Amino acid sequence: EDKVVQSPLSLVVHEGDTVTLNCSYEVTNFRSLLWYKQEKKAPTFLFMLTSSGIEKKSGRLSSILDKKELFSILNITATQTGDSAVYLCAVPPHPPSGSRLTFGEGTQLTVNP
Amino acid sequence: DAMVIQNPRYQVTQFGKPVTLSCSQTLNHNVMYWYQQKSSQAPKLLFHYYDKDFNNEADTPDNFQSRRPNTSFCFLDIRSPGLGDAAMYLCATSKAERTDTQYFGPGTRLTVL
Repeated sequence: EDKVVQSPLSLVVHEGDTVTLNCSYEVTNFRSLLWYKQEKKAPTFLFMLTSSGIEKKSGRLSSILDKKELFSILNITATQTGDSAVYLCAVPPHPPSGSRLTFGEGTQLTVNP
Repeated sequence: DAMVIQNPRYQVTQFGKPVTLSCSQTLNHNVMYWYQQKSSQAPKLLFHYYDKDFNNEADTPDNFQSRRPNTSFCFLDIRSPGLGDAAMYLCATSKAERTDTQYFGPGTRLTVL
């Protein structure tokens, strides 16, 4: 069974800090790894990573995958209070099965002013 | 804009009183999913439809049923809600060949009194 583990589970920082969120995985037939941001509503898509060593970047957020060591990190620089959310890491099933995304427990990030 | 819509956004029901949550999509995706997300937990897949084929997760209680009358609509029926069924219910869709890219609706938050 696929498994996704995120750490830390909870993180409290001050505005302007840089944070690194971790996601390790054990999956059969790895295909991709996804990062989502969830505020008090449905998850919103951040990144999909498929290749090792290639950084995906969007503004202050960036993410990278290490397929050898089976983990990914999500970095947020110059954090803002609006970054407060749960950050979820997930791995999709191998096709053709239209089945579950396996989610990690999430990291609850709180950015204080 | 193409999207996933869930109604209602907030639903309050009484213990044991049946409730139906609805999801519609304008993306014309083959696959529709229902996830349950309890407080501080990752989303958990209940079941999904691959076109008209219903796929139940092994640990989904019998209390939860689903209907998909056409491509655009999918319903989640909770026959006899218990207090433990209070949660956010997320609908998602994907193309059959891209189950790694799931589009989430805004969710319905269910309260059971």
